[in-house]
Amino acid sequence: GAGVSQSPRYKVAKRGQDVALRCDPISGHVSLFWYQQALGQGPEFLTYFQNEAQLDKSGLPSDRFFAERPEGSVSTLKIQRTQQEDSAVYLCASSLGLRETQYFGPGTRLLVL
Amino acid sequence: AQTVTQSQPEMSVQEAETVTLSCTYDTSESDYYLFWYKQPPSRQMILVIRQEAYKQQNATENRFSVNFQKAAKSFSLKISDSQLGDAAMYFCAYRSGPGSGTYKYIFGTGTRLKVLA
Repeated sequence: GAGVSQSPRYKVAKRGQDVALRCDPISGHVSLFWYQQALGQGPEFLTYFQNEAQLDKSGLPSDRFFAERPEGSVSTLKIQRTQQEDSAVYLCASSLGLRETQYFGPGTRLLVL
Repeated sequence: AQTVTQSQPEMSVQEAETVTLSCTYDTSESDYYLFWYKQPPSRQMILVIRQEAYKQQNATENRFSVNFQKAAKSFSLKISDSQLGDAAMYFCAYRSGPGSGTYKYIFGTGTRLKVLA
């Protein structure tokens, strides 16, 4: 595709539910990044992949957060047993390589009630 | 750890005028990259400009230019001939150089730019 796409764009979950957020990177981009953006704040790093390998997951806030990219293309960020503090916009970015400029998707706005 | 600070939560500029957005950062590294991203209300972050720390020349992209002061750890964005479409949140971001082994971006808290007609 022409750009990074994310789905769903909006997600409302009840506290305790599991959610899955999808990211489709730009075709040919081997690196993929996830960021969390709380209201009124800048994005904060969660994790990144090089192809299917998850190289850094130091930003994941708890073991309820899990990301995967099994075939080195589409990635899914899963949040188990959602809490109200998980409410945020989740941004995905991709790049040709780890050293290249990151291009961002439109984000998924998650609201946990 | 590296930090990025944007001290202006909000700025306003008249259409066709010039505005400068401030960004300072803290790092002990000598090799790194700095970015300005624009985030319109649709939330798609768009790269505005990129600067490599080892380059002394300030980056320029059409109406957008930076004033990169490495010793002062300052990286301001100047927007000339402001247009209504420039209205957005602007984020300053830092990325360590290739020798660091990390490729994540560190963002500031953003500056909301309003353009007045």
